[in-house]
Amino acid sequence: RKEVEQDPGPFNVPEGATVAFNCTYSNSASQSFFWYRQDCRKEPKLLMSVYSSGNEDGRFTAQLNRASQYISLLIRDSKLSDSATYLCVVNRGSARQLTFGSGTQLTVLP
Amino acid sequence: SQTIHQWPATLVQPVGSPLSLECTVEGTSNPNLYWYRQAAGRGLQLLFYSVGIGQISSEVPQNLSASRPQDRQFILSSKKLLLSDSGFYLCAWSVLGQTQPQHFGDGTRLSIL
Repeated sequence: RKEVEQDPGPFNVPEGATVAFNCTYSNSASQSFFWYRQDCRKEPKLLMSVYSSGNEDGRFTAQLNRASQYISLLIRDSKLSDSATYLCVVNRGSARQLTFGSGTQLTVLP
Repeated sequence: SQTIHQWPATLVQPVGSPLSLECTVEGTSNPNLYWYRQAAGRGLQLLFYSVGIGQISSEVPQNLSASRPQDRQFILSSKKLLLSDSGFYLCAWSVLGQTQPQHFGDGTRLSIL
């Protein structure tokens, strides 16, 4: 089983749509969770951290379910500029090391 | 604020040639430093990480090596490149701590001919 698993997509959605990405992780000792976005041929950039109680940043909402070892990202009112690959990231139990999922590709269509 | 610089942005090298990629971080002290590789259409693979000067941990045995000669400098090297070394190389830094994310440089796109 992969340490971090994501649906690779692609997700093609119209502007204004709501889209949800899911991610599962295998290491129950993991304590830090993040979502990154990566544009084509660019470096990954931190989108948001994921907290136990769930957190929201504008149109983006992240949820964590420790019991199910499941993380989600919800994007509301999709914009063309949201088109990117979204990476689910989990620490390995060591603070120094993160495991990156392979990413879910999103294309927002006009 | 902290910044990370990585160069060169692109590199084309023949098989068997040496490699040196450099990464520096500004605006912070004692960062954790990382080298990743991303093959085309694939996820990030951690190659090396360092928690201090001269301290290098290798994740994947291969013909690459890393060094950290100064606190905020991280170098990725190879004596002889292979075709399979092609990819997108990313340097990253983080602050020590359980909840700290990593921040990436712009990356180096390496093509081996």
